[in-house]
Amino acid sequence: QQQVKQSPQSLIVQKGGISIINCAYENTAFDYFPWYQQFPGKGPALLIAIRPDVSEKKEGRFTISFNKSAKQFSLHIMDSQPGDSATYFCAASMRTGGGNKLTFGTGTQLKVEL
Amino acid sequence: GAVVSQHPSRVICKSGTSVKIECRSLDFQATTMFWYRQFPKQSLMLMATSNEGSKATYEQGVEKDKFLINHASLTLSTLTVTSAHPEDSSFYICSASDRTQAFFGQGTRLTVV
Repeated sequence: QQQVKQSPQSLIVQKGGISIINCAYENTAFDYFPWYQQFPGKGPALLIAIRPDVSEKKEGRFTISFNKSAKQFSLHIMDSQPGDSATYFCAASMRTGGGNKLTFGTGTQLKVEL
Repeated sequence: GAVVSQHPSRVICKSGTSVKIECRSLDFQATTMFWYRQFPKQSLMLMATSNEGSKATYEQGVEKDKFLINHASLTLSTLTVTSAHPEDSSFYICSASDRTQAFFGQGTRLTVV
């Protein structure tokens, strides 16, 4: 059972445009929603994360929008650059005792073209 | 962000041999470490969860006798792939977590020939 659904699977955006990736979750016990960026042959790197008590979080060109009632959250990359070309994963977790067991989305391969 | 060091980054081994992968949290104490496996163009698949000083909890379908996990301290966990076969070839990634965030190692590309 996939608990975090992510779309689109792939995305092509022109340089300077806005990249939008969407995720939906099922488990209402999730209380931490991070986004990870992964380049080929590398481990995922934490990009930005949000907790369900806020509806939006912005860090530089990256913004998470969170809709608790719809159980959806999205990543917006403003002014997309070729260097943003990577695979992006949303994730969700519950803060169980002693760690964060993440459930990942299926990933979105982003390509930013000149 | 916190640093998680995973070693080696690449390893090629012969079929039937064992390979050990190390995961270290360099600047924080990881209460929990996770091991993932990733196939090309796919998401991360959780293999097991380990807490320092206790036995690892394996996900359904993961052979615990094949993928041995040791979490000897709050900064070190190891994954040993025993009697490796070509189908074990994959990208293995560790993650170290404190109570608030999870940080990932750079991954290990295992090729079994």
